[in-house]
Amino acid sequence: GAGVSQSPSNKVTEKGKDVELRCDPISGHTALYWYRQSLGQGLEFLIYFQGNSAPDKSGLPSDRFSAERTGGSVSTLTIQRTQQEDSAVYLCASRGVAALTDTQYFGPGTRLTVL
Amino acid sequence: LAKTTQPISMDSYEGQEVNITCSHNNIATNDYITWYQQFPSQGPRFIIQGYKTKVTNEVASLFIPADRKSSTLSLPRVSLSDTAVYYCLVGGGSARQLTFGSGTQLTVLP
Repeated sequence: GAGVSQSPSNKVTEKGKDVELRCDPISGHTALYWYRQSLGQGLEFLIYFQGNSAPDKSGLPSDRFSAERTGGSVSTLTIQRTQQEDSAVYLCASRGVAALTDTQYFGPGTRLTVL
Repeated sequence: LAKTTQPISMDSYEGQEVNITCSHNNIATNDYITWYQQFPSQGPRFIIQGYKTKVTNEVASLFIPADRKSSTLSLPRVSLSDTAVYYCLVGGGSARQLTFGSGTQLTVLP
C-alpha cells in the first residue's frame, strides 16, 4: 500500500479482556516498530522487528504484552487482560532495509480505551 | 541510546521563522539526527534528517554544528497549520530503535 495502515482505528474494551491490534507496513519494508503514546505524552518504544532476526522486546511494559510478525509483513500486537493504564494510542511504524538512516513511516495509530 | 533535550513549548506568529534547538551531548559517531512532526490524532511524520552541517528540503532546514552535540530545526515563514509537536531524535546505523523525547509543542498564533 501507499503507507502504513493500522486497524482498528479505535478500540474500546472492558478491563480484563484481550485485544489485538494490527499493523500493515509499507510493502517491502523489513523493519517494523510498535510504540505507545499516552495522552499528551511522547512516544514510548515497545517492540522492534527486523527481517528474520529475533525481535527487540525491551520496551514491552509487562508480560501481558506480546507481538508477532507473520511472513515478515503484517504484525499483531496483543494485550492480554487489559488494564485501564493500557489506554493509549498504539502506533506502528515501518522502515525500509535500504535506508541506512532511521526514517520511520508511521501509521495513524489505534486508540485503545480500557473501561 | 543518545538522549535529547528540547524545549517543551514555543510560540510564534504567522510568517515568522521558527528555530527549535535540540541538545544531544552523547551523540555517537554513526548517529543521524532526525526530526518528526506530529499533529493531534496522527502518527509522527518525517520532516528532515542530517548528519552534519546543513540540510535543506522543501519543508525545513537542519543546522548541525561541527561537534554535533546539538541541532536546530528551522521552519521558514510558519503558518497556523505548522502548529504541532516536533520531535528530535538521534540514532541510526546499527541502532535497533529510536527514543522519542517529549518533543516541543509549537503553537503558531495569527
